Amino acid sequence: DTAVSQTPKYLVTQMGNDKSIKCEQNLGHDTMYWYKQDSKKFLKIMFSYNNKELIINETVPNRFSPKSPDKAHLNLHINSLELGDSAVYFCASSQSAQTHYGYTFGSGTRLTVV
Amino acid sequence: TQLLEQSPQFLSIQEGENLTVYCNSSSVFSSLQWYRQEPGEGPVLLVTVVTGGEVKKLKRLTFQFGDARKDSSLHITAAQPGDTGLYLCAGGSSYKLIFGSGTRLLVRP
Repeated sequence: DTAVSQTPKYLVTQMGNDKSIKCEQNLGHDTMYWYKQDSKKFLKIMFSYNNKELIINETVPNRFSPKSPDKAHLNLHINSLELGDSAVYFCASSQSAQTHYGYTFGSGTRLTVV
Repeated sequence: TQLLEQSPQFLSIQEGENLTVYCNSSSVFSSLQWYRQEPGEGPVLLVTVVTGGEVKKLKRLTFQFGDARKDSSLHITAAQPGDTGLYLCAGGSSYKLIFGSGTRLLVRP
């Protein structure tokens, strides 16, 4: 039973398209995150939600819009995709927003914009 | 901007050797975590340290948090091919984890 599941695993799309990535966690955690991992494997936080409320928005272009319908789900919608958006996007969850709780990551969504 | 620098960036060793990976910053963190990531998967938590000077052991892995809570190290004893992967340190700050630049470890049989 997967703890944090993301779909799709791979996404190939053309520039200018709009796409969504879905994430669900069955751990009962309060906090969920989106991270972007670039080609050099550097992981950078994009957004964080705690009990459906946005608590972190890290200078991400407003073409990226997260949505959390409930605390078990955090989706990421991207408008007008650009070549530079190509990366692996990871969803993660933690027991609370306190950082001493470990994160559980999904297996990632590899987005390729052509 | 808070940064975590890891060294070395890449390490290739023979099975049975010992190694140490370092994670350094000029910033103080409330906690420090280490993760291992394998190709095509998300990072998996190995350990969390929260107290300056804290040392934690996990079988052949020893983790240390610096006294000033700005740095950490990961020591692996008698490395095995199964230890191969990308090791990431992450510092806790303002309700988020800031990840280090990563150390790619290859253990040759």
